[in-house]
Amino acid sequence: EDQVTQSPEALRLQEGESSSLNCSYTVSGLRGLFWYRQDPGKGPEFLFTLYSAGEEKEKERLKATLTKKESFLHITAPKPEDSATYLCAVQVGSLPGKLIFGQGTTLQVKP
Amino acid sequence: DAGVIQSPRHEVTEMGQEVTLRCKPISGHDYLFWYRQTMMRGLELLIYFNNNVPIDDSGMPEDRFSAKMPNASFSTLKIQPSEPRDSAVYFCASTADRRRQPQHFGDGTRLSIL
Repeated sequence: EDQVTQSPEALRLQEGESSSLNCSYTVSGLRGLFWYRQDPGKGPEFLFTLYSAGEEKEKERLKATLTKKESFLHITAPKPEDSATYLCAVQVGSLPGKLIFGQGTTLQVKP
Repeated sequence: DAGVIQSPRHEVTEMGQEVTLRCKPISGHDYLFWYRQTMMRGLELLIYFNNNVPIDDSGMPEDRFSAKMPNASFSTLKIQPSEPRDSAVYFCASTADRRRQPQHFGDGTRLSIL
């Protein structure tokens, strides 16, 4: 069965304290891995897509990496505005249809 | 550019009533998805359409749920009759049928069934 597991469930950081979020997956044929950010009361907001092991993407303080079994979202010198829930999703199948989401990591960055 | 638009943003109704959620996808997007988000189960795909045709409805929980897409700019998700366990946030998302395009989400409808 296709499965996506994110850890930790919750993470508290001080402003400037770098860390990483993990997304491990077990799927039959990964077509793509997506990272989203979700703020309270809002829909998920797209951050990155990764397609092959070794691929990396960066945006401001965020960097996403991918291996054959997991992905990491590295947060460098986070700020309070980075506080949100970060969701990982994997695409299965050839159509841009089925995304299987992890449960998310809720990040709180304190000033 | 306008994003995915959902209405209503909040809906509170009594058990047994019919509920209709609405979605307008991003113009030019030919895939539309309906998701449900709960604390227990996270974000789950209910059904998705391609060019207004349902492709996969295996996530629809039961016959009380139905979805339609009468044209490229409008979709509905209907629950009849509604039950308290249907309480959740329902999201609509859309994407274009081009390689490596992500899904873009609306801000959801928070549904409470009393």
